[in-house]
Amino acid sequence: EAQVTQNPRYLITVTGKKLTVTCSQNMNHEYMSWYRQDPGLGLRQIYYSMNVEVTDKGDVPEGYKVSRKEKRNFPLILESPSPNQTSLYFCASYKVGGQETQYFGPGTRLLVL
Amino acid sequence: QKEVEQDPGPLSVPEGAIVSLNCTYSNSAFQYFMWYRQYSRKGPELLMYTYSSGNKEDGRFTAQVDKSSKYISLFIRDSQPSDSATYLCAFLTGGFKTIFGAGTRLFVKA
Repeated sequence: EAQVTQNPRYLITVTGKKLTVTCSQNMNHEYMSWYRQDPGLGLRQIYYSMNVEVTDKGDVPEGYKVSRKEKRNFPLILESPSPNQTSLYFCASYKVGGQETQYFGPGTRLLVL
Repeated sequence: QKEVEQDPGPLSVPEGAIVSLNCTYSNSAFQYFMWYRQYSRKGPELLMYTYSSGNKEDGRFTAQVDKSSKYISLFIRDSQPSDSATYLCAFLTGGFKTIFGAGTRLFVKA
């Protein structure tokens, strides 16, 4: 079954404690992306990657890091989380040239105290 | 001015009604135009995807793009209670950067 998985699904943490949210896809897609969703703001793109070792900033990259060492995985790293990073995070993937078939993960709800 | 404007609603309609959802945008660099549906506590799912002005139909859904007016619409015919969700417009630049609207909440009453 084609899918994008994210872990953890829910996370409560404290300010400054480094955390990683994992994203994995099983469709051999080149393109992967991270978004955050906040009430009234829709989804905002954090980072995206067009292939292994190729990443670029979206609209709201501050406070986040990503890496793409393998095609299937695209982890989101918060080195020093702050309360304003409390949000719902989604990972997505698609095949380059096949943007009409995109898959989103189930979301990770993060609360930073 | 925001790059994308989308009325947040909520929009409430009776079952069977035709629903019209709209977004305006200001960036001429947008090349691809998309509509997503998002149910509560779920990830968005892509409904419609197009790159040219005009209409594209898929079942009960029609996506309309007017590049000259920088305006896109999604029409839902014969709306069903199962269509109750948040609908997000989205725009993709040639460089793979995606910009979303804030979403419109739709309620279809049985």
